[in-house]
Amino acid sequence: LPVLTQPPSASALLGASIKLTCTLSSEHSTYTIEWYQQRPGRSPQYIMKVKSDGSHSKGDGIPDRFMGSSSGADRYLTFSNLQSDDEAEYHCGESHTIDGQVGYVFGTGTKVTVL
Amino acid sequence: EVQLLESGGGLVQPGGSLRLSCAASGFTFSSYAMSWVRQAPGKGLEWVSAISGSTGSTYYADSVKGRFTISRDNSKNTLYLQMNSLRAEDTAVYYCVKDGAGDGLAHFDYWGQGTLVTVSS
Repeated sequence: LPVLTQPPSASALLGASIKLTCTLSSEHSTYTIEWYQQRPGRSPQYIMKVKSDGSHSKGDGIPDRFMGSSSGADRYLTFSNLQSDDEAEYHCGESHTIDGQVGYVFGTGTKVTVL
Repeated sequence: EVQLLESGGGLVQPGGSLRLSCAASGFTFSSYAMSWVRQAPGKGLEWVSAISGSTGSTYYADSVKGRFTISRDNSKNTLYLQMNSLRAEDTAVYYCVKDGAGDGLAHFDYWGQGTLVTVSS
């Protein structure tokens, strides 16, 4: 099964930019991933899909300051002008069909702190 | 407006059973695959199961295969998860989620508020 690796934490100053990384296992390095934001005590919210070529498509209502990109097996979520409301857990995930079995895998999540 | 409202969570003893429901509205329910995703206390997200909208094909994570059954009633716009032989490690908030791409497993564009299942004696 694909494995998605995320650093456990990240932080940046209010108003700054931050870049989160989700790394796919090498044999699945061309997969598309999705990013989700989960604020404390809330349900996750879909942010965007990021493909291996770096193209991305956002969910409804996601502001322009959220961007996606790719490099090799790494998929990135960058957001600028960091706000206190951005303090949350960010999860990446991907869907796959292997040997006819459909499934979905999440990374372990990155907790973002706004300083 | 898409709404997903879960119910049926609660406290159950190990080995017991529970049935979760999810009432959906604001979209053509039968046109979309639906999934259950869970989150153990203080842990990350885990996909549990999915069901297609039209064919009713079902898919399960290895951790629940043979114990959980996903189903749907398109006439009632409702998704279900029958959970049997429950274990302590099944303790989690269970989210009902809608697929964003249609009748496959692609990504989850809308999530319910979640229902807590606690397995403990």
